[in-house]
Amino acid sequence: DTEVTQTPKHLVMGMTNKKSLKCEQHMGHRAMYWYKQKAKKPPELMFVYSYEKLSINESVPSRFSPECPNSSLLNLHLHALQPEDSALYLCASSESRQKAFFGQGTRLTVV
Amino acid sequence: GQSLEQPSEVTAVEGAIVQINCTYQTSGFYGLSWYQQHDGGAPTFLSYNALDGLEETGRFSSFLSRSDSYGYLLLQELQMKDSASYFCAVRPTGNKLTFGGGTRVLVKP
Repeated sequence: DTEVTQTPKHLVMGMTNKKSLKCEQHMGHRAMYWYKQKAKKPPELMFVYSYEKLSINESVPSRFSPECPNSSLLNLHLHALQPEDSALYLCASSESRQKAFFGQGTRLTVV
Repeated sequence: GQSLEQPSEVTAVEGAIVQINCTYQTSGFYGLSWYQQHDGGAPTFLSYNALDGLEETGRFSSFLSRSDSYGYLLLQELQMKDSASYFCAVRPTGNKLTFGGGTRVLVKP
């Protein structure tokens, strides 16, 4: 199994809602990532978990809250988002420095 | 911090060869990677260079010169399905993966 699975694929939420994005991998990878990607832009790193501990937070606003319940799962909790947070949210995992595997992403729309 | 520069767009015909250059500035360096992303899809890994030289994987090759902080991705025998965005990416630390702005490749018949 060389897949990173993200759910949901699409999400529409209001600015007062709380929602969560989920990411799962069963490749035994110890590093997991959250990226945000706007249209026609590169993926922008948000968080990195290494061995289930948060190792990098790229100064992301607190309305985004990551969680790593175990080595296979990564969540991104969303609260009080703004319309400009609408984007494709990508999860990735890697074991070595060579290669990262990306999920298909969650396309988020904040209304 | 780090910065990566690559051309924004390249157009070529089927069967042609395209070279996408990437220059980078980074405080640390653990290798240069290349990813392909089709519209609406996920980035997929193409190639990785940690040492100077050329890595060949089928129709795609990647080159790195650490002394020049420069690399390129070479796409040979272009096919219509190669129309996509191509990103170079660096690891300034072991866990961090930072992407360049991306090069949109358009293959015409």
